[in-house]
Amino acid sequence: DGGITQSPKYLFRKEGQNVTLSCEQNLNHDAMYWYRQDPGQGLRLIYYSQIVNDFQKGDIAEGYSVSREKKESFPLTVTSAQKNPTAFYLCASMEKFRGNQPQHFGDGTRLSIL
Amino acid sequence: GESVGLHLPTLSVQEGDNSIINCAYSNSASDYFIWYKQESGKGPQFIIDIRSNMDKRQGQRVTVLLNKTVKHLSLQIAATQPGDSAVYFCAETYRGAGSYQLTFGKGTKLSVIP
Repeated sequence: DGGITQSPKYLFRKEGQNVTLSCEQNLNHDAMYWYRQDPGQGLRLIYYSQIVNDFQKGDIAEGYSVSREKKESFPLTVTSAQKNPTAFYLCASMEKFRGNQPQHFGDGTRLSIL
Repeated sequence: GESVGLHLPTLSVQEGDNSIINCAYSNSASDYFIWYKQESGKGPQFIIDIRSNMDKRQGQRVTVLLNKTVKHLSLQIAATQPGDSAVYFCAETYRGAGSYQLTFGKGTKLSVIP
């Protein structure tokens, strides 16, 4: 089945630790996105990538980093600089980077602090 | 369970009744709109979309209405079923020069009473 796979489903971070969230898609989509979702809030954009080997900061990029070395993969690292990392993280993809088509989402990773 | 629905407006409907979920969008220049459904512990799922040159679009059991005059979007679900219980949110797209901005609403929690 085509889709977006996020792993792990649950992740715990210790103080001072970097953690990496995985996002893989087999939809052959060019564009990929990372969002953060907090209770009662709309999705906030962390980083996005229009195409392989390219990525841009979103609205809340501080404390996060990404890479896009392969078309199908867009991992997100939550660094120790992110002081409030507890949230639900969603990865999305879109066929082309343009604004007239929907983004498709994975099932998320819930990150908590130990 | 998933806490994304905390502090959101809630709509409770009886099974079999029709549901209407409303969304006020912010940018009068937005030209593409999407409704998503998010079940507990999962990522958002695309339901239906509409472009700004339309005022109504129908899918299977769902209808989206767009009123550009008052910047209002609504999602109508016919014969609501228990499986429709979820958080529903809208998204609007504004396209600028060479890029676009996608903004998500905070959502409405739909509870279906059996």
